[in-house]
Amino acid sequence: EPEVTQTPSHQVTQMGQEVILRCVPISNHLYFYWYRQILGQKVEFLVSFYNNEISEKSEIFDDQFSVERPDGSNFTLKIRSTKLEDSAMYFCASSGEGRKTQYFGPGTRLTVL
Amino acid sequence: DQQVKQNSPSLSVQEGRISILNCDYTNSMFDYFLWYKKYPAEGPTFLISISSIKDKNEDGRFTVFLNKSAKHLSLHIVPSQPGDSAVYFCAARMYSGGGADGLTFGKGTHLIIQP
Repeated sequence: EPEVTQTPSHQVTQMGQEVILRCVPISNHLYFYWYRQILGQKVEFLVSFYNNEISEKSEIFDDQFSVERPDGSNFTLKIRSTKLEDSAMYFCASSGEGRKTQYFGPGTRLTVL
Repeated sequence: DQQVKQNSPSLSVQEGRISILNCDYTNSMFDYFLWYKKYPAEGPTFLISISSIKDKNEDGRFTVFLNKSAKHLSLHIVPSQPGDSAVYFCAARMYSGGGADGLTFGKGTHLIIQP
């Protein structure tokens, strides 16, 4: 069964450093998303992406964040200058033509020191 | 701003009995609702969904009920099995007409199935 994959599974970085989190969505999906879950809190929407542009973004997704689909398979989330409060699980998701059901990847745990 | 609320942080149910997980929402613009199951250190796994034009959807042991007037939905698991022990998230989508639509999640309910 096709699935969303994410790399790395765990990323440790120093405050102020740039990180890139990578995702490979399900191959025939058209809609892509990033979410995050801070420890003990709920899953929060960050950004959605369709047709090579951002469709929707939350107030969390400020100028420090960017997304890109550099080729036909990868979807990336970049955090330019990480802060301590960026430490969280980051989940990528994708959905198909009907864009109803979103399928999530296993997540990347980001730890900012 | 909790547009999707799961008021029970945890629920303990005996194996073989029915598990009922509840979810309330405040935004009447939500048009599609989903339940996800999550194990520690894994991503949410899609379980079942329901459109706002329906009041029930069933898939095997899982049934979701939607009461639009009460802005309430529930997930029933019958019979409950040990492998059902996980955190269950209720999520809602508001159709924007444009591109992709982000989901709004509840805080989750930790379901524990007792042998």
